[in-house]
Amino acid sequence: AQSVTQLDSHVSVSEGTPVLLRCNYSSSYSPSLFWYVQHPNKGLQLLLKYTSAATLVKGINGFEAEFKKSETSFHLTKPSAHMSDAAEYFCVAMNTGFQKLVFGTGTRLLVSP
Amino acid sequence: NAGVMQNPRHLVRRRGQEARLRCSPMKGHSHVYWYRQLPEEGLKFMVYLQKENIIDESGMPKERFSAEFPKEGPSILRIQQVVRGDSAAYFCASSPTGTGAVGTEAFFGQGTRLTVV
Repeated sequence: AQSVTQLDSHVSVSEGTPVLLRCNYSSSYSPSLFWYVQHPNKGLQLLLKYTSAATLVKGINGFEAEFKKSETSFHLTKPSAHMSDAAEYFCVAMNTGFQKLVFGTGTRLLVSP
Repeated sequence: NAGVMQNPRHLVRRRGQEARLRCSPMKGHSHVYWYRQLPEEGLKFMVYLQKENIIDESGMPKERFSAEFPKEGPSILRIQQVVRGDSAAYFCASSPTGTGAVGTEAFFGQGTRLTVV
């Protein structure tokens, strides 16, 4: 069965410092991978997606993620955190041909001034 | 083009009552998914519907839960005889084609937060 592991439940950074949110997946197939962000009491917004076209994926708001098959990882990064980045981030996987998105448990990003 | 619309945003029900959650997909989207988010957990798949058809309900509890997506009108997630453990955020997502197609994005609504007292 496919699973997604987000290694940190909480990550705290200072404004202006780099962000790293870690995600590992396990799958028998090459999945499509996504990062979604959820602001308090809001829906989920897609940050970026990997679909095998390129291993380094750029998303919105300066975020990017790198797919590393050898490490089965899809970590999310941003060079410089902004206060508005404080939110819950979900790593999501889906095997091609299946309909279910498989969510990680989420990482809460805290940004301090 | 309005996004995925869910209502109500907040719903309070007493134990034993029925809860009805509505989801209007984005215009042109015929695929609807329901997910449940329990406190401090990620979203869990419940059911996948196309117009008038349930395609995959493998994530739905066997009893008390049902879903429909009629030819006209919104998709409805119905929970009968609610219990405290049903308290959660329920999210609806829609896509123009099935998300099984490579890279197809699912667009999420803002969710309905159900509280059972």
